[in-house]
Amino acid sequence: EPEVTQTPSHQVTQMGQEVILRCVPISNHLYFYWYRQILGQKVEFLVSFYNNEISEKSEIFDDQFSVERPDGSNFTLKIRSTKLEDSAMYFCASQYGNYNEQFFGPGTRLTVL
Amino acid sequence: AQTVTQSQPEMSVQEAETVTLSCTYDTSESDYYLFWYKQPPSRQMILVIRQEAYKQQNATENRFSVNFQKAAKSFSLKISDSQLGDAAMYFCAYEDSGAGSYQLTFGKGTKLSVIP
Repeated sequence: EPEVTQTPSHQVTQMGQEVILRCVPISNHLYFYWYRQILGQKVEFLVSFYNNEISEKSEIFDDQFSVERPDGSNFTLKIRSTKLEDSAMYFCASQYGNYNEQFFGPGTRLTVL
Repeated sequence: AQTVTQSQPEMSVQEAETVTLSCTYDTSESDYYLFWYKQPPSRQMILVIRQEAYKQQNATENRFSVNFQKAAKSFSLKISDSQLGDAAMYFCAYEDSGAGSYQLTFGKGTKLSVIP
């Protein structure tokens, strides 16, 4: 069964450093998402991506964040200068079309020291 | 903006018994989807069940069923014959149909414990 994969599973970084979180969505899916979950809190939407551009972003997704799909398979989230409060679990999700199930990856745990 | 409220931070159920998790939401839309996701300790998000707002019939998936009350904007999850493997965080989610984006809005979750 196809699945969404994410690498790395755990990333530890120093405050101010850049990190890139990687996701490989399911191959025939068209919509891609990043969500964040701070420990003990709810899952929050960050950004959606469709047709090679951002279609929606939340207030959390400020200028420090960027996404791209460089090669038609990978979908990356970059945080330019990490802050302590960026420590969270980051989930990638992909979806074939609207109102279809979003398939979530296993998440990347980001720890900012 | 849509909001999703789960008023039960924690619930517990005896193994083999039935438990109902509550969820309410607020929206001005008439067509939308609602979901229940399960998050075990591994933190993987797993879809449990979904409901299409335009369908009056409540969705069921084996031991999982929902009670969807559109007018009341209520979407509860019933787990029958609870098993130890059902212990997890359960998140209710609403699918937003914004222009070209269908992001999920999640509730704060209910932690379900299953007592052997």
